[in-house]
Amino acid sequence: ETGVTQSPTHLIKTRGQQVTLRCSSQSGHNTVSWYQQALGQGPQFIFQYYREEENGRGNFPPRFSGLQFPNYSSELNVNALELDDSALYLCASSLGGTTHNEQFFGPGTRLTVL
Amino acid sequence: GENVEQHPSTLSVQEGDSAVIKCTYSDSASNYFPWYKQELGKRPQLIIDIRSNVGEKKDQRIAVTLNKTAKHFSLHITETQPEDSAVYFCAANTGTASKLTFGTGTRLQVTL
Repeated sequence: ETGVTQSPTHLIKTRGQQVTLRCSSQSGHNTVSWYQQALGQGPQFIFQYYREEENGRGNFPPRFSGLQFPNYSSELNVNALELDDSALYLCASSLGGTTHNEQFFGPGTRLTVL
Repeated sequence: GENVEQHPSTLSVQEGDSAVIKCTYSDSASNYFPWYKQELGKRPQLIIDIRSNVGEKKDQRIAVTLNKTAKHFSLHITETQPEDSAVYFCAANTGTASKLTFGTGTRLQVTL
């Protein structure tokens, strides 16, 4: 198992609500990437944070936002939830700024939007 | 942007046989190609990876090959076991931002 943790494990929200998901990176890692995994599909890159700054963003609307704290943990915020936001949200930690790209995933947060 | 295609979507093999999963990528600048195994309800686990300066890498029963000219890479599992049953994802990374683009996954079933 990796040292990456996520909370909560499961979450049920209704359309229009807002949600905050949390991720603690593996010790020694300074980069957190967030992915959305819809049922039966591969993870899709949302964005990445490196040393508290956004460092790349995928094809997701601005209502998906995030931040990274000085201890390199991270939050993903989603506003105005839509039914299609129902998915497994994965964070992955890595050591940025080097040639080492290995990303290690957390267990994920399963979000259901009703 | 990068696009990764993965085949087959499902693969059934008998225990002890070999399994091969193939991926192609579109961005010639991609330089890092990991493979992840995801069991039902669990996190993706990194099982092997290869960088663009290497053509082949092996770790016990698992090997990955990379053909940069053709822009494709493959996962080879030998002597398959029931515990190899899972969904396998290939991915490609461009640059140092560690942004991974994933394939659509291959569901591997190893039967007794």
